[in-house]
Amino acid sequence: GQNIDQPTEMTATEGAIVQINCTYQTSGFNGLFWYQQHAGEAPTFLSYNVLDGLEEKGRFSSFLSRSKGYSYLLLKELQMKDSASYLCAVRDDYKLSFGAGTTVTVRA
Amino acid sequence: DGGITQSPKYLFRKEGQNVTLSCEQNLNHDAMYWYRQDPGQGLRLIYYSQIVNDFQKGDIAEGYSVSREKKESFPLTVTSAQKNPTAFYLCASSIAGFSNQPQHFGDGTRLSIL
Repeated sequence: GQNIDQPTEMTATEGAIVQINCTYQTSGFNGLFWYQQHAGEAPTFLSYNVLDGLEEKGRFSSFLSRSKGYSYLLLKELQMKDSASYLCAVRDDYKLSFGAGTTVTVRA
Repeated sequence: DGGITQSPKYLFRKEGQNVTLSCEQNLNHDAMYWYRQDPGQGLRLIYYSQIVNDFQKGDIAEGYSVSREKKESFPLTVTSAQKNPTAFYLCASSIAGFSNQPQHFGDGTRLSIL
């Protein structure tokens, strides 16, 4: 089976940094994805990790440790538009298994 | 612009009725997926298809059916056997055969019971 855990909610101030953790226990592993989803909208792709280490894309970075079954998404220089749900998803063969998502609220 | 189109945006179902959600993509993707999203829960896979005329059950296929007669289209039917169909339904597509390729999502259909 698949077990993917993320915190339910996080709050941070505009301009700050927030780190969203994701731990997983899955029967197979072919990579980990992070998606952003604004309320009532479609998820949009943020990042992909398959090897250990840090991937940086502008204000967003994602880290993976396969031996620990652990990933995090780092959001820097937070903006109000970053208020959204962030979904961690693990790929196993052809399928993605999603965590429940972390709702990030950015306050002025 | 290439993308995934889901219709309708909102759908209401009466008791005992089957309803069909449309999903069309012009991204030339071989793989297509249907997910269900409930409040406070992650996306759960209903059905997926890697190629035309072939599809597999996901984690919660009971009460649902699909077809894949064309590469561009992957409609989902919510049957009367699905006793709790109220949810946000998302269709996605991706390039098949490459694990690093992300899934691209449509804007979703919100289904409610009358």
